[in-house]
Amino acid sequence: NAGVTQTPKFRVLKTGQSMTLLCAQDMNHEYMYWYRQDPGMGLRLIHYSVGEGTTAKGEVPDGYNVSRLKKQNFLLGLESAAPSQTSVYFCASSYFLYEQYFGPGTRLTVT
Amino acid sequence: DQQVKQNSPSLSVQEGRISILNCDYTNSMFDYFLWYKKYPAEGPTFLISISSIKDKNEDGRFTVFLNKSAKHLSLHIVPSQPGDSAVYFCAASARSQGNLIFGKGTKLSVKP
Repeated sequence: NAGVTQTPKFRVLKTGQSMTLLCAQDMNHEYMYWYRQDPGMGLRLIHYSVGEGTTAKGEVPDGYNVSRLKKQNFLLGLESAAPSQTSVYFCASSYFLYEQYFGPGTRLTVT
Repeated sequence: DQQVKQNSPSLSVQEGRISILNCDYTNSMFDYFLWYKKYPAEGPTFLISISSIKDKNEDGRFTVFLNKSAKHLSLHIVPSQPGDSAVYFCAASARSQGNLIFGKGTKLSVKP
């Protein structure tokens, strides 16, 4: 069991470039989440999904899009990266609403 | 407005003593509370949780206490070990929501 995996682990983008972060889970969880963590800000929810084909906005959704075409995958897209999106991104999944299992994170720098 | 507050950014404790991490919340609809532990360069890992129908939950060295009237919960670690040094996040949820609300975290340092 790999749990929750994230690809890539590190990425540097120039302002205006686009990229997609991939999250995969092998626990057959219905719920999946994307968070960002910034110094002194804790974990803030970007988008989440309660099942295949569904997505919903979290606390800080602007500048991001997501897709959940397969139950095991949750993609986070940045269409036009900005320096304010420099952060560590965590994906998580859960069977119920509450106990979430996190991936190792993706460190993104936008210059 | 922060719904989940961890007012102490850091805490330093001697090995073998008790660590007490505190968390306050404002939303009376929250009915489930969790603590996560995070080491540098790793994702958070689930530690312990408590439902609003209980006031205490214990798992080995870790105990979480919930005081609903004060909208306050705390995590006790006894005895503290150097390996417990990490950032601890408090999180809360309500059944009507589809997500957890996290506090900003408390960095615990346990000195040998």
